[in-house]
Amino acid sequence: GEDVEQSLFLSVREGDSSVINCTYTDSSSTYLYWYKQEPGAGLQLLTYIFSNMDMKQDQRLTVLLNKKDKHLSLRIADTQTGDSAIYFCAESTSGTYKYIFGTGTRLKVLA
Amino acid sequence: AAGVIQSPRHLIKEKRETATLKCYPIPRHDTVYWYQQGPGQDPQFLISFYEKMQSDKGSIPDRFSAQQFSDYHSELNMSSLELGDSALYFCASSSRLAGGGETQYFGPGTRLLVL
Repeated sequence: GEDVEQSLFLSVREGDSSVINCTYTDSSSTYLYWYKQEPGAGLQLLTYIFSNMDMKQDQRLTVLLNKKDKHLSLRIADTQTGDSAIYFCAESTSGTYKYIFGTGTRLKVLA
Repeated sequence: AAGVIQSPRHLIKEKRETATLKCYPIPRHDTVYWYQQGPGQDPQFLISFYEKMQSDKGSIPDRFSAQQFSDYHSELNMSSLELGDSALYFCASSSRLAGGGETQYFGPGTRLLVL
């Protein structure tokens, strides 16, 4: 079945770049998303990328997709303490309309 | 901009009781999804509805049922509650008709605690 994996933890210093990685197994994944979840809060859509794209940049966020290796990454430039949260990648396949979430990466930004 | 609304935000129930969670999608969104997120877990897809019809089904227990109403709001009914049902329940909505059906916008969640 489909599986989406992420590293559990990442710690960076304020001002550095963060790179959160995600691997997935479903080669028919069409859409890949990054969501941010702060403690006790809901899931905030950060960005998404279609499988026919390699890269997408949105202000401080850069998404890279290596479809051959089924690897997705989210780079946050100039990481701030307010970026501390859990980051989930999610994938969906056209026609199914349900998400398979990754295990989540807890990002801790040190001042 | 209007977001997905869920009610109640917090709910405490005892074992074997029933609970009803409500979700009001973003206006003009036609698809609603329900997810369950246990403590320290990633969200798990339960069920979805498109135009008031069940669209996809995930790991939803038989004790749970859901429906989408004519005004597109959805309710998740949970019966014979068990301790393991304690979780954060998210609703999300999207608009398939507008061609954005793949991007889901999540509500703030309902935190259910079963004692």
